[in-house]
Amino acid sequence: ETGVTQTPRHLVMGMTNKKSLKCEQHLGHNAMYWYKQSAKKPLELMFVYSLEERVENNSVPSRFSPECPNSSHLFLHLHTLQPEDSALYLCASSQDLIAGGPAKNIQYFGAGTRLSVL
Amino acid sequence: GENVEQHPSTLSVQEGDSAVIKCTYSDSASNYFPWYKQELGKRPQLIIDIRSNVGEKKDQRIAVTLNKTAKHFSLHITETQPEDSAVYFCAALTGGGNKLTFGTGTQLKVEL
Repeated sequence: ETGVTQTPRHLVMGMTNKKSLKCEQHLGHNAMYWYKQSAKKPLELMFVYSLEERVENNSVPSRFSPECPNSSHLFLHLHTLQPEDSALYLCASSQDLIAGGPAKNIQYFGAGTRLSVL
Repeated sequence: GENVEQHPSTLSVQEGDSAVIKCTYSDSASNYFPWYKQELGKRPQLIIDIRSNVGEKKDQRIAVTLNKTAKHFSLHITETQPEDSAVYFCAALTGGGNKLTFGTGTQLKVEL
């Protein structure tokens, strides 16, 4: 276990549903990330939070809405998704933002949520 | 923005042989290069990383080399074992300092 927990592990939803993905880290880290992993594509960074403040949004559609209520929790709220949004969504955390220095760069990943949009 | 290319996309080796995976990056200001291993159905896990002030780093059967001039870095696995079978991702830290750009991954299969 890496100390990063994601729930649910699997999610099937219709295009009109609203659901949320949850990520919790028990490592005392200050930075958290959402990635999308699609088949045969690189891992795509979606959002970066540092100390509960969003510092990066990589042109992600508004149907994905992140929320970081505190440095241990990160949510990804989903609504009116499209079938092409089906993918593995990975959460990661690091001690600080990557630029924080050598020992703080390492990102620890959760197990991911396998999302299927019907 | 940063672009990371990874080759090959699939690699099959016999147990005991060596495996080499190569990545190139575009942002000359990139200064941190981690490698992740992702077994089927599991999360990516960091296996080794290298910083731009170092040319080579080794950890038991795994080594990484970095050529800053040519902007490429490679993962070397020696004496491969079946449990090395997985997808390996390289990544490069952008010059801006807060984004990792990943390669497309290499499916490594170690055959008995």
